[in-house]
Amino acid sequence: GAVVSQHPSWVICKSGTSVKIECRSLDFQATTMFWYRQFPKQSLMLMATSNEGSKATYEQGVEKDKFLINHASLTLSTLTVTSAHPEDSSFYICSAPTRQGGLWGYTFGSGTRLTVV
Amino acid sequence: AQKITQTQPGMFVQEKEAVTLDCTYDTSDQSYGLFWYKQPSSGEMIFLIYQGSYDEQNATEGRYSLNFQKARKSANLVISASQLGDSAMYFCAMREGGGGTSYGKLTFGQGTILTVHP
Repeated sequence: GAVVSQHPSWVICKSGTSVKIECRSLDFQATTMFWYRQFPKQSLMLMATSNEGSKATYEQGVEKDKFLINHASLTLSTLTVTSAHPEDSSFYICSAPTRQGGLWGYTFGSGTRLTVV
Repeated sequence: AQKITQTQPGMFVQEKEAVTLDCTYDTSDQSYGLFWYKQPSSGEMIFLIYQGSYDEQNATEGRYSLNFQKARKSANLVISASQLGDSAMYFCAMREGGGGTSYGKLTFGQGTILTVHP
């Protein structure tokens, strides 16, 4: 089945630095990628939707300049957390729509735990 | 307004017993899809079951079944014969719009932490 490979699985970075998270679609082309953020024991909140070759669509309240999303190819979407601060520490997970049995479903990456110290 | 509501922050069940996790939703769309996911402590999202708004029969997948009551806008997940490995967080999610020709974003409920006791 379809697989979305997400890296890194976890990362610790210093406050003020930038961190890039990659999601690669294996064996299929992901024209769209959804990026979610999740705090411990809470829901997944959609941050933005990226589309290959165009600008990402951000949800209300998400800082575009802080969370840079790039979808330069049909198999790679990236989220860069710029000038990270401790409050950006969270679990980030991507998801690509995938065709499954005639219907659209969603394939998730394995997630990235970001800790900013 | 909350589109997906899971009112049970935590649930406990004895091994081998059945458990129902509640989910209610709110949408004005006629066509929509409802999903249930399991999220163990590792964080991965495991797809469990799907129910389309036009599906007349309740979805079933092995030990998982979905009690779909359209008029009440509820889509409860029933897990039969609980196992220790079922302990995890469970999310109900909704996609507005038909799933045959389009894919929209998923909106998630707050989640329910299920603990299975031996």
